[in-house]
Amino acid sequence: DGGITQSPKYLFRKEGQNVTLSCEQNLNHDAMYWYRQDPGQGLRLIYYSQIVNDFQKGDIAEGYSVSREKKESFPLTVTSAQKNPTAFYLCASSSYTDTQYFGPGTRLTVL
Amino acid sequence: GNSVTQMEGPVTLSEEAFLTINCTYTATGYPSLFWYVQYPGEGLQLLLKATKADDKGSNKGFEATYRKETTSFHLEKGSVQVSDSAVYFCALSHRSNDYKLSFGAGTTVTVRA
Repeated sequence: DGGITQSPKYLFRKEGQNVTLSCEQNLNHDAMYWYRQDPGQGLRLIYYSQIVNDFQKGDIAEGYSVSREKKESFPLTVTSAQKNPTAFYLCASSSYTDTQYFGPGTRLTVL
Repeated sequence: GNSVTQMEGPVTLSEEAFLTINCTYTATGYPSLFWYVQYPGEGLQLLLKATKADDKGSNKGFEATYRKETTSFHLEKGSVQVSDSAVYFCALSHRSNDYKLSFGAGTTVTVRA
């Protein structure tokens, strides 16, 4: 089955820790995206990548970092510089000009 | 820039009622328009889309028509079920914004038996 997987489903972080969220797709999509969703709110774009080894900042990139070393993978690191990281994180992919498809999400909680 | 304005919720309906969620957009040219649905604790699922004026997207009994003259893409369903309870997002993409999605704020729909 083709699709987008995110892991883990739930993640707990202590103050001052960096954590990495995984996103993998086997749809052969060129573009991948990371969004943040806060309770009762819409989605905000963190980072996106249209091609391997290249990525751009979205609307709220501060405190986050990404890499795109392989076409199928786009991991997101939430650094200690992110002051309020508790949120639901969604990964998506697309064939650049086409529809974005979303993964199941990772819920990050800071303890 | 591109933007989407979506009907505020929450919306509460009885089973078999008619559902309409209004969505209007601001964009240059002809964007692609989407409706996504999010069930509790899950990611977004594509519900339907339309890529040019007068196109009608449809899926699972939901419909939306791309109206260029009114810059709208309202979502409708003739008879809702309890299982339609979810958050619905209207979105657009256009080459002027690198095909990134611009989302509405989302509308929470609750259907009661």
